[in-house]
Amino acid sequence: NAGVTQTPKFQVLKTGQSMTLQCAQDMNHEYMSWYRQDPGMGLRLIHYSVGAGITDQGEVPNGYNVSRSTTEDFPLRLLSAAPSQTSVYFCASRLDGRGEVEQYFGPGTRLTVT
Amino acid sequence: QKEVEQDPGPLSVPEGAIVSLNCTYSNSAFQYFMWYRQYSRKGPELLMYTYSSGNKEDGRFTAQVDKSSKYISLFIRDSQPSDSATYLCAMSAAQGAQKLVFGQGTRLTINP
Repeated sequence: NAGVTQTPKFQVLKTGQSMTLQCAQDMNHEYMSWYRQDPGMGLRLIHYSVGAGITDQGEVPNGYNVSRSTTEDFPLRLLSAAPSQTSVYFCASRLDGRGEVEQYFGPGTRLTVT
Repeated sequence: QKEVEQDPGPLSVPEGAIVSLNCTYSNSAFQYFMWYRQYSRKGPELLMYTYSSGNKEDGRFTAQVDKSSKYISLFIRDSQPSDSATYLCAMSAAQGAQKLVFGQGTRLTINP
């Protein structure tokens, strides 16, 4: 099993550009989520999904869109990048939305917006 | 005020020392308390978790929860250089809750 994979590892964007951060898991996990990690702020939840076709907002959803058309994939879209979105983005998955505690994190995508 | 507060450190101790990492929280609904370890440029990985108050031990690691004080701790005994990482506490109101609230993380260095 590859676990949770994220692409790209690094990305530099100009203000106003859009892009999609990819996340995939091969563990048949129902629950997937996106976090951003900033210095002094810990991990903050952006969006999450409890299964294909179901998504919901987390703590900091503005400026980001998600969709979940398959169990395996959960892409995060930046609609119009801003310098405030410079961060490290982590995707995570869990077996289901209710009965499990452990989340498995991907290696992260380091995004810089200039 | 953040729901979960964690001293960001950095914390630097000699090999073999006992390390104490702590978090305080304000939401009395939190029932599940987790500690994640994050090595440099990697994703976090779950170290251990506890439910409600009490202690839980796993090898050199002990997690302690005091709900009356809204305070949780992670103790590392006989610390090793391989324990050097950022440690994040995380909490939720229910098992498998949709939303997990993380502390800021404490960067720990164990010096040989």
